[in-house]
Amino acid sequence: EVKLVESGGGLVQPGRSLKLSCAASGFSFNDYWMGWVRQAPGKGLEWIGEINQDSSTINYTPSLKDKFTISRDNAQNTLYLQMSKLGSEDTAIYYCARAGIPFDYWGQGVMVTVSS
Amino acid sequence: DIQMTQSPASLSASLGETVTIECLASEDIYSNLAWYQQKPGKSPQLLIYDASSLQDGVPSRFSGSESGTQYSLEINSLQSEDAATYFCQQHHDYPFTFGSGTKLEIK
Repeated sequence: EVKLVESGGGLVQPGRSLKLSCAASGFSFNDYWMGWVRQAPGKGLEWIGEINQDSSTINYTPSLKDKFTISRDNAQNTLYLQMSKLGSEDTAIYYCARAGIPFDYWGQGVMVTVSS
Repeated sequence: DIQMTQSPASLSASLGETVTIECLASEDIYSNLAWYQQKPGKSPQLLIYDASSLQDGVPSRFSGSESGTQYSLEINSLQSEDAATYFCQQHHDYPFTFGSGTKLEIK
């Protein structure tokens, strides 16, 4: 069974950084692109970016490219999202997803709240 | 960026009815279009990919079609469990943008 479990969310002060993790199981992690999507409270879905199997290609939505960094550790079957200079506009549920055809499996999401 | 204009924002329909949700791409996306269903408090689930291919396990009452840059999701014989928000997403060119969503209420 494919399983994606995000962690690392919580309350963070404006201007600070936070790193999310996504633990993958039930499939060959290093065979797939992986990605992140976020959803602000009561809003739609926003594609953050995707990383290929060997981390040689990473694509971001332009408005987040300088704030967010996607990485992965294939030995640990884990995807990461490093977020910096966080502002209230970054308050959202963050989902990791397997970029199959395109996002065929999603995690349950992790809440990030940016507030003082 | 490719813009995905989704309509309607919301709709209400009765059990057994058929509904159609549409997404208009700002440029040709060559059938690289997915549809997702999201129920309250849950993560999105893939319904359709490549405009008309049904994801494994998705009921056949869901179908996708296209006409030029207009993409449609049709749900036949509405069931109560179809109450959800539906999103389209183009996966042709980065960034892979989503439509704004359609909230479906079952009367």
